[in-house]
Amino acid sequence: AQSVAQPEDQVNVAEGNPLTVKCTYSVSGNPYLFWYVQYPNRGLQFLLKYITGDNLVKGSYGFEAEFNKSQTSFHLKKPSALVSDSALYFCAVDTGFQKLVFGTGTRLLVSP
Amino acid sequence: DSGVTQTPKHLITATGQRVTLRCSPRSGDLSVYWYQQSLDQGLQFLIQYYNGEERAKGNILERFSAQQFPDLHSELNLSSLELGDSALYFCASSVAGQSSYNEQFFGPGTRLTVL
Repeated sequence: AQSVAQPEDQVNVAEGNPLTVKCTYSVSGNPYLFWYVQYPNRGLQFLLKYITGDNLVKGSYGFEAEFNKSQTSFHLKKPSALVSDSALYFCAVDTGFQKLVFGTGTRLLVSP
Repeated sequence: DSGVTQTPKHLITATGQRVTLRCSPRSGDLSVYWYQQSLDQGLQFLIQYYNGEERAKGNILERFSAQQFPDLHSELNLSSLELGDSALYFCASSVAGQSSYNEQFFGPGTRLTVL
C-alpha cells in the first residue's frame, strides 16, 4: 500500500536557522508527493509537489523539498525559519485518482 | 482564502442523530474530496466526487454518504452518529479528477461534536 511516514512529531528550531521536516514514502510506481501546512483553526494549504523532473522542488513561502529516490525521502526544507512558520506540516502521497494519503503530521515550533 | 467554503463551521449534536455538511468548491473545480481529521485517526480520505459522480472511496463508514450536485456543491451526510464521529471534516476541491498532478484546495472545515 502507498504510504508516507513522518518520523518526528515535533521539530523545534530557532528563528533564522534552517529547518528540515522529514518525510519518507513507500509507493509502487512513480511517487506523486505533496506537502501541506495547517495553521491553527484553518484548513490545509498546499506548499509544493513533486511529480517528475528536478529533485529540488520550490514552493510557497520560501519552502523547498528534496526528492531522494534512493532514500525514498521527500524532506521539506527552508533556509531561514520564521516564527510565523510555526504550524502543523503534512506530507502526502497520491495513491491514484488524486486520493491523498497523509502522514501523521509534524508540528514545527519556531522560537524567537 | 482557498476559495472553498464549508458550512456550518461548528456543529454540536447528540448520539444517534443525523447531520449534513455542505461544501462549495472553488470556481471551475470539478472534483470535491471529503476528509476526516481526528486526534486518533489523523487525516483520512473519505470520498471523492468528480462532476457529479463518485470517483474514489476511502475509509468512509456505511453510516456516511455523500453526493455532488449539478452546481458542483457537495454534501456529506453523517447518520446514527456516535461519540467517535467527533472530528474536523474538511472538504477540498481540485480542477481535474483523474490526473495526479493537481493540488487540492482545502476549505476551513466543519468541527463536529457529538455529545
